[in-house]
Amino acid sequence: AQSVAQPEDQVNVAEGNPLTVKCTYSVSGNPYLFWYVQYPNRGLQFLLKYITGDNLVKGSYGFEAEFNKSQTSFHLKKPSALVSDSALYFCAVREAPGNTPLVFGKGTRLSVIA
Amino acid sequence: DAGVIQSPRHEVTEMGQEVTLRCKPISGHDYLFWYRQTMMRGLELLIYFNNNVPIDDSGMPEDRFSAKMPNASFSTLKIQPSEPRDSAVYFCASSLLGSYEQYFGPGTRLTVT
Repeated sequence: AQSVAQPEDQVNVAEGNPLTVKCTYSVSGNPYLFWYVQYPNRGLQFLLKYITGDNLVKGSYGFEAEFNKSQTSFHLKKPSALVSDSALYFCAVREAPGNTPLVFGKGTRLSVIA
Repeated sequence: DAGVIQSPRHEVTEMGQEVTLRCKPISGHDYLFWYRQTMMRGLELLIYFNNNVPIDDSGMPEDRFSAKMPNASFSTLKIQPSEPRDSAVYFCASSLLGSYEQYFGPGTRLTVT
């Protein structure tokens, strides 16, 4: 069965500093990996995905994520954090192509402090 | 495009009452997903449809929950009777065949007292 772990419930970072939100996954086949962001009282918004190819994936709002197969990780990164990046971030995985459901991690709350 | 539309945005009801949540997916999307979000369990898939047909309802917690998709532009999630432990945010999402992303609605915050 596929699963996702986000080991940190909360990440605090100063504005302008780099940020990392961690994610590890478990699948039996090839992983399809996603990051979503949720702002207060809003639905989840797609940030980026890894399907195949380059291990460094670039997404919306300056975010990127690095796929590491040996460590089964897909950490979300941004070189310089903004206060407006403060939100809840979800990592998700599916192990089949197409439109099968996503399995989400518990989420990591990111707080960027001015 | 208006995106995925959910109604109501907030619902407060008393234990034992019937609750119906509604979702309008993005036009042309073939798949529709219902998720539930709680602090304790995070985001859980309840059921999903492909071309209006339920594909997997193994996430539906019990017989009190039912979902329908009578046409490509409308789906409902019904809880009868509701219980306090059903309090959560319920999200609907849709996707297009061949696309990897799911598009989420704003959610319905359900409170059962």
